[in-house]
Parts: sequence; structure tokens; C-alpha cells
Amino acid sequence: GAVVSQHPSWVICKSGTSVKIECRSLDFQATTMFWYRQFPKQSLMLMATSNEGSKATYEQGVEKDKFLINHASLTLSTLTVTSAHPEDSSFYICSATLGGASQETQYFGPGTRLLVL
Amino acid sequence: DAKTTQPNSMESNEEEPVHLPCNHSTISGTDYIHWYRQLPSQGPEYVIHGLTSNVNNRMASLAIAEDRKSSTLILHRATLRDAAVYYCIPRCPLKSRNQFYFGTGTSLTVIP
Repeated sequence: GAVVSQHPSWVICKSGTSVKIECRSLDFQATTMFWYRQFPKQSLMLMATSNEGSKATYEQGVEKDKFLINHASLTLSTLTVTSAHPEDSSFYICSATLGGASQETQYFGPGTRLLVL
Repeated sequence: DAKTTQPNSMESNEEEPVHLPCNHSTISGTDYIHWYRQLPSQGPEYVIHGLTSNVNNRMASLAIAEDRKSSTLILHRATLRDAAVYYCIPRCPLKSRNQFYFGTGTSLTVIP
């Protein structure tokens, strides 16, 4: 099956710093990738839709200036958490779609655990 | 997007079948029903999806009610590796944005 990777798998940073998370589709091209956030004991929350070559579409309530998304190629999307604070500590997961438009399956990365001190 | 209702948690004995229900009474006629599962500390993984007919694959079976207001994911023989949170997600492929919105899911515990 299609493989999506994320890097890093976990990161610890100081409050006020920026953190970049990479999402790669390893064996397919993904015109659309998605970014999710998951707090402990909670479900995944969709943050934004990342489209190759265009601006990301953010879900309501997600600050686009705080969570910068770049999708510069068909195999790479990046999420940058700018000026991270402890409340940004979470599990960040990306996904990419594969298949025909009628039944697109999403393939998820393994996630990146962010801890902001 | 259609709302879903799933039990918060279920238990099953190892090597016994498990039936995981999902109610999606507001589903539209063009929504496919997707099931994903998330093992601890991992990203979700695809399990199965269908539109109207029952579907089978090597992981599971999906039984869809005739009125499509509910569906049941069937694991034929639960193993310890099946312990995960299972999510059912109705999604319309005709919508241009193709997003998945996750509900609370069902946490499945498999008892040895």
C-alpha cells in the first residue's frame, strides 16, 4: 500500500521557537495532503488541506499565520508551527490521498509528537 | 457532513468475531462509508469502505444497512493487534475538498 512518512517523529522545543514538520508520500504523488492535530484521549481534528502549488485551506478556528503550510512538490508538504507555546503540544498527523476521485482513500503518516516546554 | 454515533468502547475475546456498529442517520445518498482504525501512538490506517453493498477484504467485512443509516464493521477473528480506536467516516466523493472528519470512534479492547 501507499506509504506516507513524517519527520521528525517527535520533537521537544522551547516556547517561542518555530518547529517544522515534514510529510512525504514515498511511493506516489499526492496533489492533496491533509494535516490533523490530536490531543491526548481525543479524536483527530482536521487543521488544513494542503494543495500542491497553491495556498492551503484552513479549517475554521485554525490560525493560518500560526500554522504555516507549504506544499511545494507532489511528494512533500510541510507544517511549521510558529512561535510555539505549551498549548501547541500535540500529536500532528498528515495524510495524503491516493486513488480515483470517486473513492479516494487517505493514507496517514505515523505522526509527529510535539512537546513545547 | 453526516454525523456519526459509535459506542465509546467495546471489548472482545481474542479469536472471536467483533461487530462494531456505527449510526450515520444523516448520511446523503452519495456518501461512501469509510472505516479507519488507529493503533496507540500511530496514525490511522485504512480498513474498508463501501457505498451500498456489503464489502469484504482481507482485514474485515463491512455490512451496510439497506437504508444506509447504519453500518457494522466486522472483524471475523479478533487478535491482540486489532486493539485500536475504530472510526467510521461518511464522505461524499463529489465534494471538491475531499476532507475526512473524524468522530470519537470506538476503542476496542481485545482480551487474551
